[in-house]
Amino acid sequence: NAGVMQNPRHLVRRRGQEARLRCSPMKGHSHVYWYRQLPEEGLKFMVYLQKENIIDESGMPKERFSAEFPKEGPSILRIQQVVRGDSAAYFCASSPGISYEQYFGPGTRLTVT
Amino acid sequence: AQTVTQSQPEMSVQEAETVTLSCTYDTSESDYYLFWYKQPPSRQMILVIRQEAYKQQNATENRFSVNFQKAAKSFSLKISDSQLGDAAMYFCAYRIRDSGAGSYQLTFGKGTKLSVIP
Repeated sequence: NAGVMQNPRHLVRRRGQEARLRCSPMKGHSHVYWYRQLPEEGLKFMVYLQKENIIDESGMPKERFSAEFPKEGPSILRIQQVVRGDSAAYFCASSPGISYEQYFGPGTRLTVT
Repeated sequence: AQTVTQSQPEMSVQEAETVTLSCTYDTSESDYYLFWYKQPPSRQMILVIRQEAYKQQNATENRFSVNFQKAAKSFSLKISDSQLGDAAMYFCAYRIRDSGAGSYQLTFGKGTKLSVIP
């Protein structure tokens, strides 16, 4: 069983561009969490999704950030008009259901120049 | 809101020795999980050990064990017989056990960087 996949592993964007981060959960997992890790910090929760539904987006910045988890395909975290402060590692975790263990992907390192 | 505090930004240990990493947390819930995650230079988050708050017995996993003090809201990680491969960032994390219809996000501390000296 393949683990959680994230791509790209590294992404460089200029200020003002859009960043799209993809997360393919483990097989059989229908719950996805996105976390952000700023330099020298722990991971901070951003959003929790189930297939086709956003359950909790309390950790998402109000503007420029959006997430989706369609019926088919990976979960996408989208950041519009990136700024330098968006530079961070973005981690996705998946679980097979509510209250189960979360399994982390390797992360996407976003650098905004 | 739940908070997790790791007061030791950096620690070091001699190879084969024992080291303890500290973690305290704050919550008004009575039923929750606590975790220690390891993040090596590859940045992959690896679950080291998990503790259920309703269990009084401390969790152990090979060379890793915890000292869970529920009343004091303390959850330390002990690494015995330290190995070079243990060098990494270690994060303490909290998660509510049953939030009803809500989500089960993890709340992390800022981490402790562990160096292992040969």
